[in-house]
Amino acid sequence: EDKVVQSPLSLVVHEGDTVTLNCSYEVTNFRSLLWYKQEKKAPTFLFMLTSSGIEKKSGRLSSILDKKELFSILNITATQTGDSAIYLCAFSGGYQKVTFGTGTKLQVIP
Amino acid sequence: DVKVTQSSRYLVKRTGEKVFLECVQDMDHENMFWYRQDPGLGLRLIYFSYDVKMKEKGDIPEGYSVSREKKERFSLILESASTNQTSMYLCASRQGGNNEKLFFGSGTQLSVL
Repeated sequence: EDKVVQSPLSLVVHEGDTVTLNCSYEVTNFRSLLWYKQEKKAPTFLFMLTSSGIEKKSGRLSSILDKKELFSILNITATQTGDSAIYLCAFSGGYQKVTFGTGTKLQVIP
Repeated sequence: DVKVTQSSRYLVKRTGEKVFLECVQDMDHENMFWYRQDPGLGLRLIYFSYDVKMKEKGDIPEGYSVSREKKERFSLILESASTNQTSMYLCASRQGGNNEKLFFGSGTQLSVL
């Protein structure tokens, strides 16, 4: 059975801290790994990763995939209160299926 | 921008009622998905569709059915709603093929009393 595990489940940090969110997976027919941010209702897209070792970057956020060890990390540097959200990891596998992890709830306090 | 529209933001139904949740996307996407989201459990896939009239069970299809008669519309049906189906329901779509990015609707918070 395909599986995505995220850790930690929740995290509280102070503004300015750097955080690392983890996502490990066991899948058949891996196609891509996706990161989303969910603040209110609709998750919004952050990154899509398909190749090992190539960092994707957007402002203070970055992500990398290790296909050999089957994990990905999402880094957020110089955190701000606006980064408070649930961060979701998902993989796209065989038969067009997209499976999500449980998410990491990040709270950034002033 | 892609728009995925869910017909209701909040819905309150009684146990045993038949419930329809509608989702419409405006970008001619091939694939459409229904998830439910519960605290501590993340997003769990109920059903997905990779083409008109085609559907595949996700991880938790029991108690649900779906319909995709037109490409832009994907309906989730609760044949006889139960209290354990109280949840946030999220619809998503994507182009398909090598385009993996999912676009989400704003969600429907369903309460079954």
